Amino acid sequence: QLQLKESGPGLVKPSETLSLTCSASGGPITSSSYYWGWIRQPPGKGLEWIGNIYHTGSTNYNPSLKSRVTLSADTSENQFSLKLTSVTAADTAIYFCGGWFGDLFIDFWGQGILVTVSS
Amino acid sequence: QTVVTQEPSFSVSPGGTVTLTCGLSSGSVSTNHYPSWYQQTPGQAPRTVIYNTITRSSGVPARFSGSLLGNKAALTITGAQADDESNYYCMLFLGSGIWVFGGGTKLAVL
Repeated sequence: QLQLKESGPGLVKPSETLSLTCSASGGPITSSSYYWGWIRQPPGKGLEWIGNIYHTGSTNYNPSLKSRVTLSADTSENQFSLKLTSVTAADTAIYFCGGWFGDLFIDFWGQGILVTVSS
Repeated sequence: QTVVTQEPSFSVSPGGTVTLTCGLSSGSVSTNHYPSWYQQTPGQAPRTVIYNTITRSSGVPARFSGSLLGNKAALTITGAQADDESNYYCMLFLGSGIWVFGGGTKLAVL
């Protein structure tokens, strides 16, 4: 059973870059069956899709975040990463990583990591 | 910008049946949107309930079912139980690699 776990700083200053990593265990991210992605949830609010990446490096991004988001994958470490630039308080959220089966639905979820943007 | 719509809240009696819906601000939901549904209780990561419109995820009880109802995707719980009380989110594929979540429905079982 594949498992995902997010890691990274829990506190980021405004205008800086938020960087998170999702480590996979129990299976390779090079699986042809899966895309990998990020979803976030501001406190008390709903889910927002951030973007997806295939292990080859092909990406898709939420248009509302596209100018600030970069996803990357490190197949040697079996992990993928999120960078979000120029953060503001509105980027405070729980960030989940997920595995999309066949790029059709989210099959696996990480436990989530709370990132707070504050000086 | 396309918005995915869900009822903000719903309530059902224990043992009752409830249908939650997922629509589009413009147009109809079809199988080409690959509707999926996720259940989330406070403080937990979401859990996949339904994918590809009608398919139950592994381990999900048979009382959960997915369908298309009119111009929307639907999640029906038949014989609701207390532990079904959760937030439910639908997600739709809008094409060109773009996914969008609905705002979520808070389901109360009481």
